Amino acid sequence: EAQVTQNPRYLITVTGKKLTVTCSQNMNHEYMSWYRQDPGLGLRQIYYSMNVEVTDKGDVPEGYKVSRKEKRNFPLILESPSPNQTSLYFCASSKQGLRGSPLHFGNGTRLTVT
Amino acid sequence: AQRVTQPEKLLSVFKGAPVELKCNYSYSGSPELFWYVQYSRQRLQLLLRHISRESIKGFTADLNKGETSFHLKKPFAQEEDSAMYYCALVMNRDDKIIFGKGTRLHILP
Repeated sequence: EAQVTQNPRYLITVTGKKLTVTCSQNMNHEYMSWYRQDPGLGLRQIYYSMNVEVTDKGDVPEGYKVSRKEKRNFPLILESPSPNQTSLYFCASSKQGLRGSPLHFGNGTRLTVT
Repeated sequence: AQRVTQPEKLLSVFKGAPVELKCNYSYSGSPELFWYVQYSRQRLQLLLRHISRESIKGFTADLNKGETSFHLKKPFAQEEDSAMYYCALVMNRDDKIIFGKGTRLHILP
């Protein structure tokens, strides 16, 4: 089944403890991106990647890192998580960029930082 | 600055009544607009995009560049339309996307 898979679905951690949220797609999509969803703020783009080894900042990149070493994977790294990064995170991919090409979303990862 | 505004956080409509979810945008370039929907316990998914000019699940949306709007409409609401709806703008100079804050549509029986 063509899909975007995120892991884990739920994660509780403490301030400062590095963590990685994985994202994988099996559709050979070039574009991948990360979003956070917060009540009253909607979805905000964190980082995106047009292709392997190409990444760019979205609207809210502070405190996050990403890498795109392989086409199918796009992990989100929080080197030193803080409570304000408690949120629902979504990974998404699209065939070739965003213009004319819809996003396919993962199921989400609910992160709590205490 | 680029912005997508969905003025209603919650919209309650009776089954069979018309639905209109408002979306206004602010962008000086040539935008591409989308509506995404999230049904309960499902992934966020594309509903429709302005370049397709199609009707999906009875919904339509027309890009009005003069009013900078992309309102989502359906003539007769159904209970299965209850969901969270997001309007989104893709800018033409890069592959960034801006989402509105979303509107929760609640269809009353």
